[in-house]
Amino acid sequence: EIVLTQSPGTLSLSPGERATLSCRASQSVSNNKLAWYQQKPGQAPRLLIYGASSRATGIPDRFSGSGSGTDFTLTISRLEPEDFAVYYCQQYINSPLTFGPGTSVDIK
Amino acid sequence: QEQLMESGGGVVQPGGSLRLSCVASGFRFGDFAMEWARQAPGKGLEWVALVRYNGDDKYYADSVKGRFTISRDNAKNTLYLQMNSLRGDDTALYYCMKTGNSGWFSDKWGQGTLVTVSS
Repeated sequence: EIVLTQSPGTLSLSPGERATLSCRASQSVSNNKLAWYQQKPGQAPRLLIYGASSRATGIPDRFSGSGSGTDFTLTISRLEPEDFAVYYCQQYINSPLTFGPGTSVDIK
Repeated sequence: QEQLMESGGGVVQPGGSLRLSCVASGFRFGDFAMEWARQAPGKGLEWVALVRYNGDDKYYADSVKGRFTISRDNAKNTLYLQMNSLRGDDTALYYCMKTGNSGWFSDKWGQGTLVTVSS
């Protein structure tokens, strides 16, 4: 099983600032089969990024994904008020699929 | 537009069974693998199971293997999760998800159905 570790656990930032979230895998995620999701309180998760760097339909270009192998990053270039949420990474290269524990982006 | 609607959640005693359903609309259900994930109260996401587009191949998290069964009826555009031998740590909001065109990421999620295992 591929274990995903996300850091930091909590990120306290102000609107307009840049957010950098990390996801590290216990073994290589081949073909960059790594996705990022956003979840707001009381809502289902929403797909942001797949294939490590491809934005899902309707996702603003302030969200970008990068990385390969075992180290991946989600960057939000300028935080908007609606971006304060929990972010999860997921590997989908093989079963069992696994999620990271999440990073909470809070308003400072 | 694509929609997923879960149902079947409720309160069940430890050791009991429950069957969740997820009705899909707005896309060609039989073309996509489908999944279940869950989220315990106040906790993170846990992937539960996946079934390929034709129902032939199924994959499970170790935590549910042997107790849960995923299945689908493509004629009814419906995904199922049969849950047996339920335990307290199965208490969670259960989400139904559609996979993407190019991999098993989840590009559409339902709103979830709550399962509570308690005596």
